Amino acid sequence: QQQVKQSPQSLIVQKGGISIINCAYENTAFDYFPWYQQFPGKGPALLIAIRPDVSEKKEGRFTISFNKSAKQFSLHIMDSQPGDSATYFCAASTRTPLVFGKGTRLSVIA
Amino acid sequence: DAGVIQSPRHEVTEMGQEVTLRCKPISGHNSLFWYRQTMMRGLELLIYFNNNVPIDDSGMPEDRFSAKMPNASFSTLKIQPSEPRDSAVYFCASSLSRGTHGYTFGSGTRLTVV
Repeated sequence: QQQVKQSPQSLIVQKGGISIINCAYENTAFDYFPWYQQFPGKGPALLIAIRPDVSEKKEGRFTISFNKSAKQFSLHIMDSQPGDSATYFCAASTRTPLVFGKGTRLSVIA
Repeated sequence: DAGVIQSPRHEVTEMGQEVTLRCKPISGHNSLFWYRQTMMRGLELLIYFNNNVPIDDSGMPEDRFSAKMPNASFSTLKIQPSEPRDSAVYFCASSLSRGTHGYTFGSGTRLTVV
């Protein structure tokens, strides 16, 4: 019940395209859903987060879509750029520490 | 603020040796977390502290692992004795709360046990 399942493991997208990463969870008590971005040799950094009272949150080119009934949430990166190439982690929590997905390695090619 | 500071950045040690990883959290953050990252298992929570008190160490893999937080500005993760399967990147993170605020991660310590 504490797991967060993330897919795909890796993703290759053309520059200017849309990158989509999906996550699913089981624990209905989760009430905070962040996405983290990690570059090689660095720690994960908070990218964007959503709470279950809204279905979508947008910050620049990054959008989280949240489907409470399906217990799924996804990250959309519009107009993907080579600088977006990184590993992305979804996570979830309630009053307990964040549980992370296994990560998606995104490569944006020109 | 310099962010979460971890040391050393890299550590290579021989099997059986003691290893100590260090972390300085962001001032004012009251929660501190130690995570381990491997290709196979991703980011695993080892232990977390709230107001310097260990709350949950169920993620610590074995008794060879121990962690302390003697004050609000310093924490250590010790492995004694170290084994090759402990090789991983160890991250420290701090936050204003356990779950519903963003975590700030350090740059990690890459541990290699040979």
